[in-house]
Amino acid sequence: GQQVMQIPQYQHVQEGEDFTTYCNSSTTLSNIQWYKQRPGGHPVFLIQLVKSGEVKKQKRLTFQFGEAKKNSSLHITATQTTDVGTYFCADGTSYGKLTFGQGTILTVHP
Amino acid sequence: GAGVSQSPRYKVAKRGQDVALRCDPISGHVSLFWYQQALGQGPEFLTYFQNEAQLDKSGLPSDRFFAERPEGSVSTLKIQRTQQEDSAVYLCASSRRLAGADTQYFGPGTRLTVL
Repeated sequence: GQQVMQIPQYQHVQEGEDFTTYCNSSTTLSNIQWYKQRPGGHPVFLIQLVKSGEVKKQKRLTFQFGEAKKNSSLHITATQTTDVGTYFCADGTSYGKLTFGQGTILTVHP
Repeated sequence: GAGVSQSPRYKVAKRGQDVALRCDPISGHVSLFWYQQALGQGPEFLTYFQNEAQLDKSGLPSDRFFAERPEGSVSTLKIQRTQQEDSAVYLCASSRRLAGADTQYFGPGTRLTVL
Protein backbone atom coordinates (compact mmCIF):
# COMPACT_ATOMS: atom_id res chain seq x y z
CA GLY A 1 0.00 0.00 0.00
CA GLN A 2 0.84 3.64 -0.09
CA GLN A 3 3.77 4.50 2.15
CA VAL A 4 4.89 7.91 3.18
CA MET A 5 8.48 8.20 4.40
CA GLN A 6 9.43 11.05 6.66
CA ILE A 7 12.91 12.21 7.68
CA PRO A 8 14.61 12.88 9.95
CA GLN A 9 13.14 10.84 12.78
CA TYR A 10 14.56 13.20 15.38
CA GLN A 11 15.85 16.76 15.28
CA HIS A 12 17.41 18.63 18.17
CA VAL A 13 17.93 22.36 17.68
CA GLN A 14 18.88 25.38 19.72
CA GLU A 15 16.18 27.98 20.06
CA GLY A 16 16.47 30.37 17.14
CA GLU A 17 17.80 27.77 14.69
CA ASP A 18 15.81 26.65 11.68
CA PHE A 19 14.20 23.24 11.28
CA THR A 20 13.08 21.24 8.26
CA THR A 21 11.30 17.91 7.94
CA TYR A 22 10.82 16.07 4.66
CA CYS A 23 8.13 13.76 3.44
CA ASN A 24 8.60 11.43 0.45
CA SER A 25 6.49 8.96 -1.45
CA SER A 26 7.30 6.57 -4.30
CA THR A 27 3.90 7.31 -5.84
CA THR A 28 2.03 10.50 -6.57
CA LEU A 29 0.31 11.95 -3.53
CA SER A 30 -3.32 13.04 -3.76
CA ASN A 31 -2.78 15.82 -1.30
CA ILE A 32 -0.53 16.39 1.68
CA GLN A 33 -1.67 17.41 5.11
CA TRP A 34 0.63 18.38 7.96
CA TYR A 35 -0.16 17.82 11.62
CA LYS A 36 1.57 18.71 14.87
CA GLN A 37 1.31 16.54 17.95
CA ARG A 38 2.53 17.92 21.25
CA PRO A 39 3.90 15.43 23.78
CA GLY A 40 0.94 13.62 25.31
CA GLY A 41 -1.45 15.33 22.94
CA HIS A 42 -3.32 14.53 19.78
CA PRO A 43 -2.58 15.50 16.17
CA VAL A 44 -3.62 19.04 15.31
CA PHE A 45 -4.13 20.04 11.69
CA LEU A 46 -1.68 22.62 10.37
CA ILE A 47 -2.24 22.84 6.63
CA GLN A 48 -3.22 21.05 3.44
CA LEU A 49 -1.40 21.25 0.11
CA VAL A 50 -3.12 20.12 -3.06
CA LYS A 51 -1.43 21.66 -6.09
CA SER A 52 1.87 20.71 -7.65
CA GLY A 53 4.61 23.13 -6.55
CA GLU A 54 2.37 24.77 -3.99
CA VAL A 55 3.98 26.86 -1.25
CA LYS A 56 2.09 28.09 1.78
CA LYS A 57 3.27 30.11 4.75
CA GLN A 58 1.95 30.39 8.27
CA LYS A 59 4.03 32.92 10.19
CA ARG A 60 7.38 31.14 10.73
CA LEU A 61 6.22 27.92 9.02
CA THR A 62 6.67 27.31 5.30
CA PHE A 63 5.12 24.30 3.59
CA GLN A 64 6.02 23.08 0.11
CA PHE A 65 4.58 20.46 -2.20
CA GLY A 66 6.91 19.08 -4.84
CA GLU A 67 6.37 19.60 -8.54
CA ALA A 68 5.83 15.88 -9.05
CA LYS A 69 3.58 15.68 -5.97
CA LYS A 70 5.83 13.00 -4.52
CA ASN A 71 7.43 15.01 -1.77
CA SER A 72 6.71 17.78 0.67
CA SER A 73 8.55 19.73 3.32
CA LEU A 74 7.86 21.80 6.39
CA HIS A 75 10.37 24.47 7.34
CA ILE A 76 10.30 26.41 10.59
CA THR A 77 12.35 29.60 10.78
CA ALA A 78 13.86 30.65 14.09
CA THR A 79 12.42 27.89 16.25
CA GLN A 80 10.88 28.62 19.61
CA THR A 81 10.32 26.32 22.57
CA THR A 82 6.63 26.30 21.72
CA ASP A 83 7.49 24.50 18.46
CA VAL A 84 8.38 21.34 20.38
CA GLY A 85 6.43 18.27 19.28
CA THR A 86 6.13 15.67 16.56
CA TYR A 87 5.37 16.83 13.04
CA PHE A 88 3.55 14.42 10.77
CA CYS A 89 2.83 14.57 7.09
CA ALA A 90 -0.11 12.57 5.84
CA ASP A 91 -1.37 11.57 2.42
CA GLY A 92 -5.11 12.07 2.09
CA THR A 93 -7.50 10.06 -0.06
CA SER A 94 -10.55 11.42 -1.85
CA TYR A 95 -12.77 10.78 1.15
CA GLY A 96 -10.26 11.82 3.77
CA LYS A 97 -8.50 8.67 4.93
CA LEU A 98 -5.01 9.68 6.03
CA THR A 99 -1.80 7.70 5.65
CA PHE A 100 0.70 9.20 8.07
CA GLY A 101 4.45 9.32 7.90
CA GLN A 102 6.47 8.20 10.91
CA GLY A 103 6.83 11.76 12.13
CA THR A 104 9.76 13.96 13.06
CA ILE A 105 10.26 14.63 16.76
CA LEU A 106 11.50 18.19 17.28
CA THR A 107 13.26 19.18 20.46
CA VAL A 108 14.16 22.82 21.00
CA HIS A 109 16.79 23.70 23.58
CA PRO A 110 16.41 27.16 25.13
CA GLY B 1 -18.19 24.56 20.47
CA ALA B 2 -16.89 21.33 21.89
CA GLY B 3 -14.31 19.40 19.97
CA VAL B 4 -14.10 15.66 19.51
CA SER B 5 -14.32 13.83 22.81
CA GLN B 6 -13.33 10.30 23.64
CA SER B 7 -13.91 8.10 26.65
CA PRO B 8 -12.41 6.63 28.61
CA ARG B 9 -9.13 8.50 28.35
CA TYR B 10 -7.26 5.56 29.83
CA LYS B 11 -8.18 1.90 29.89
CA VAL B 12 -6.28 -0.98 31.42
CA ALA B 13 -7.49 -4.43 30.43
CA LYS B 14 -6.35 -7.92 31.22
CA ARG B 15 -5.49 -10.03 28.24
CA GLY B 16 -8.64 -11.67 26.96
CA GLN B 17 -11.04 -8.99 28.17
CA ASP B 18 -13.36 -7.09 25.84
CA VAL B 19 -13.17 -3.29 25.73
CA ALA B 20 -15.38 -0.58 24.24
CA LEU B 21 -14.03 2.85 23.32
CA ARG B 22 -16.37 5.74 22.69
CA CYS B 23 -16.04 8.71 20.35
CA ASP B 24 -18.26 11.79 20.28
CA PRO B 25 -17.50 13.70 17.09
CA ILE B 26 -18.10 17.37 16.50
CA SER B 27 -21.82 17.94 16.03
CA GLY B 28 -22.84 17.82 12.39
CA HIS B 29 -19.64 16.21 11.17
CA VAL B 30 -20.43 13.63 8.56
CA SER B 31 -17.15 11.74 8.41
CA LEU B 32 -15.64 9.83 11.29
CA PHE B 33 -12.32 8.01 11.37
CA TRP B 34 -10.62 5.71 13.85
CA TYR B 35 -6.83 5.47 13.99
CA GLN B 36 -4.46 3.41 16.09
CA GLN B 37 -1.22 5.01 17.25
CA ALA B 38 1.49 2.82 18.69
CA LEU B 39 4.20 4.39 20.81
CA GLY B 40 6.61 6.39 18.68
CA GLN B 41 4.66 5.85 15.47
CA GLY B 42 2.28 7.82 13.34
CA PRO B 43 -1.44 7.11 13.53
CA GLU B 44 -2.60 4.19 11.39
CA PHE B 45 -6.02 4.11 9.81
CA LEU B 46 -8.51 1.60 11.14
CA THR B 47 -11.94 2.45 9.75
CA TYR B 48 -14.13 5.17 8.25
CA PHE B 49 -17.79 6.09 8.60
CA GLN B 50 -19.86 8.39 6.46
CA ASN B 51 -22.85 9.10 8.68
CA GLU B 52 -23.93 5.64 9.90
CA ALA B 53 -22.40 3.73 6.99
CA GLN B 54 -19.04 2.06 7.51
CA LEU B 55 -17.49 2.57 4.10
CA ASP B 56 -13.94 1.44 4.76
CA LYS B 57 -12.81 -1.03 7.39
CA SER B 58 -9.67 -2.14 5.61
CA GLY B 59 -7.41 -1.06 8.47
CA LEU B 60 -8.99 -3.17 11.19
CA PRO B 61 -6.20 -5.58 12.18
CA SER B 62 -8.37 -8.61 12.90
CA ASP B 63 -11.94 -9.76 13.33
CA ARG B 64 -11.57 -8.98 17.03
CA PHE B 65 -11.99 -5.33 16.14
CA PHE B 66 -15.46 -4.01 15.46
CA ALA B 67 -16.74 -0.45 15.04
CA GLU B 68 -20.18 1.01 14.77
CA ARG B 69 -21.91 4.36 14.44
CA PRO B 70 -25.59 3.39 14.49
CA GLU B 71 -27.15 6.86 14.43
CA GLY B 72 -24.48 8.65 12.48
CA SER B 73 -23.12 10.47 15.49
CA VAL B 74 -21.43 8.67 18.40
CA SER B 75 -19.15 5.82 17.44
CA THR B 76 -17.87 2.87 19.42
CA LEU B 77 -14.77 0.83 18.72
CA LYS B 78 -14.94 -2.58 20.34
CA ILE B 79 -12.01 -4.91 20.77
CA GLN B 80 -12.78 -8.46 21.77
CA ARG B 81 -10.38 -10.78 23.57
CA THR B 82 -7.71 -8.11 23.87
CA GLN B 83 -4.08 -9.02 23.26
CA GLN B 84 -0.93 -7.25 24.39
CA GLU B 85 -0.27 -6.06 20.84
CA ASP B 86 -3.53 -4.10 21.01
CA SER B 87 -1.89 -1.70 23.49
CA ALA B 88 -1.88 1.71 21.80
CA VAL B 89 -3.63 5.05 21.72
CA TYR B 90 -6.88 4.89 19.77
CA LEU B 91 -7.68 8.19 18.11
CA CYS B 92 -11.00 9.28 16.70
CA ALA B 93 -11.25 12.09 14.17
CA SER B 94 -14.17 13.76 12.49
CA SER B 95 -14.53 16.05 9.51
CA ARG B 96 -17.35 18.07 8.14
CA ARG B 97 -17.51 17.08 4.52
CA LEU B 98 -18.76 14.04 2.72
CA ALA B 99 -15.93 13.85 0.27
CA GLY B 100 -12.75 15.60 -0.61
CA ALA B 101 -9.83 16.26 1.61
CA ASP B 102 -10.94 18.20 4.64
CA THR B 103 -9.54 19.14 7.99
CA GLN B 104 -9.78 16.27 10.42
CA TYR B 105 -10.29 17.15 14.06
CA PHE B 106 -8.80 14.61 16.40
CA GLY B 107 -10.00 13.69 19.84
CA PRO B 108 -7.62 13.30 22.78
CA GLY B 109 -7.47 9.54 22.29
CA THR B 110 -7.95 6.55 24.54
CA ARG B 111 -4.75 4.97 25.80
CA LEU B 112 -5.33 1.23 26.03
CA THR B 113 -2.93 -0.90 28.00
CA VAL B 114 -3.38 -4.66 27.87
CA LEU B 115 -1.63 -6.56 30.63
